[in-house]
Amino acid sequence: DAGVTQSPTHLIKTRGQQVTLRCSPKSGHDTVSWYQQALGQGPQFIFQYYEEEERQRGNFPDRFSGHQFPNYSSELNVNALLLGDSALYLCASSLLVVLRAGELFFGEGSRLTVL
Amino acid sequence: GQQVMQIPQYQHVQEGEDFTTYCNSSTTLSNIQWYKQRPGGHPVFLIQLVKSGEVKKQKRLTFQFGEAKKNSSLHITATQTTDVGTYFCAGRKIIQGAQKLVFGQGTRLTINP
Repeated sequence: DAGVTQSPTHLIKTRGQQVTLRCSPKSGHDTVSWYQQALGQGPQFIFQYYEEEERQRGNFPDRFSGHQFPNYSSELNVNALLLGDSALYLCASSLLVVLRAGELFFGEGSRLTVL
Repeated sequence: GQQVMQIPQYQHVQEGEDFTTYCNSSTTLSNIQWYKQRPGGHPVFLIQLVKSGEVKKQKRLTFQFGEAKKNSSLHITATQTTDVGTYFCAGRKIIQGAQKLVFGQGTRLTINP
């Protein structure tokens, strides 16, 4: 039973570029949440997807957008990259019916460096 | 009002010593979760507390949820080198009408063998 998988694991971009990160949730899960974790900080909630729609959003600008596909996998897109976007991007999956009470299963993350 | 504060930010102990991290919210939490992140790894769920005053134990780890459901603590007895990592609390609270999980800044535990 595969857990949450994310790709790529590491990538380097320059300011102004765009990036797409991918996530496949744990088998049987239908909800994907994305988090940004800066060095030495806790994960910050970006947004959550369920049934291919953005259901909740944290305090992130519109440069951050996402998508969920019919197979529940998800993408995180960041446009016009800034140096401050350098971070570990974590995908977490769960079942919506237990989301309000249940745990999050995190992937290994995608480490983005913006130069 | 959106933040969940966690202290201390860093803690270095000798192997065998105890360790405690504290989590505090200005508003009532629906529940609180604790995660552990090993160096270079991803957060892994440890436990969830739901009830006021709840105490749960996992071997050497003791988790408490305050009576007012605004604070929580994680205590590790007789630390071992395998306990190294960053411990995060995550409180579930209502923000702008929606229930959200808010992570603390984490406490990084290092251990001298």
